[in-house]
Amino acid sequence: DAEITQSPRHKITETGRQVTLACHQTWNHNNMFWYRQDLGHGLRLIHYSYGVQDTNKGEVSDGYSVSRSNTEDLPLTLESAASSQTSVYFCASSGDTLGTLHFGNGTRLTVT
Amino acid sequence: QKEVEQDPGPLSVPEGAIVSLNCTYSNSAFQYFMWYRQYSRKGPELLMYTYSSGNKEDGRFTAQVDKSSKYISLFIRDSQPSDSATYLCAMIGSGNTGKLIFGQGTTLQVKP
Repeated sequence: DAEITQSPRHKITETGRQVTLACHQTWNHNNMFWYRQDLGHGLRLIHYSYGVQDTNKGEVSDGYSVSRSNTEDLPLTLESAASSQTSVYFCASSGDTLGTLHFGNGTRLTVT
Repeated sequence: QKEVEQDPGPLSVPEGAIVSLNCTYSNSAFQYFMWYRQYSRKGPELLMYTYSSGNKEDGRFTAQVDKSSKYISLFIRDSQPSDSATYLCAMIGSGNTGKLIFGQGTTLQVKP
């Protein structure tokens, strides 16, 4: 079965370190997204991609970057981790039908 | 003011109760409306998908959209303990592939 996997599931890092969260999907979807989920804010879009070599900023993109070198992967990099980036991060992918996202099970990131 | 408002709850009901979950929104360009269900420590999964105004039924679940009032609802009949989860409304305009705007999510607990 097609799936979307995120790694690691849990990560603890120190302020100022660079961190990369992995996302891999086998749906063969062109569209991929990174969200963060925080109490009181719900899911907020960080970055998204509509295909290889395409990346776009979402509403909370400061301090984050992504790259899309193939269809399957969209890694999320925190350039210099800050305590405000402690959150649960979800990767998602979608095909052509608007709004039908398939989510991974998240990465819980703690920045100390 | 947030584009999408959702009461975070928590909402606790006895097994067998009818549950009503609601969202309001401000952007009249939204045309596609979704409900996602999220179990603890899991990613959201698509539960219901509707286009424009009207009702859609799927088993014990009914999604209702009132575009004139900018109000959407999800009804759960004969609620079960397995329905205990967080329910997130989401919506999107026709020109934004995959860029969903999510509500905060309502946490529901169904007690046996």
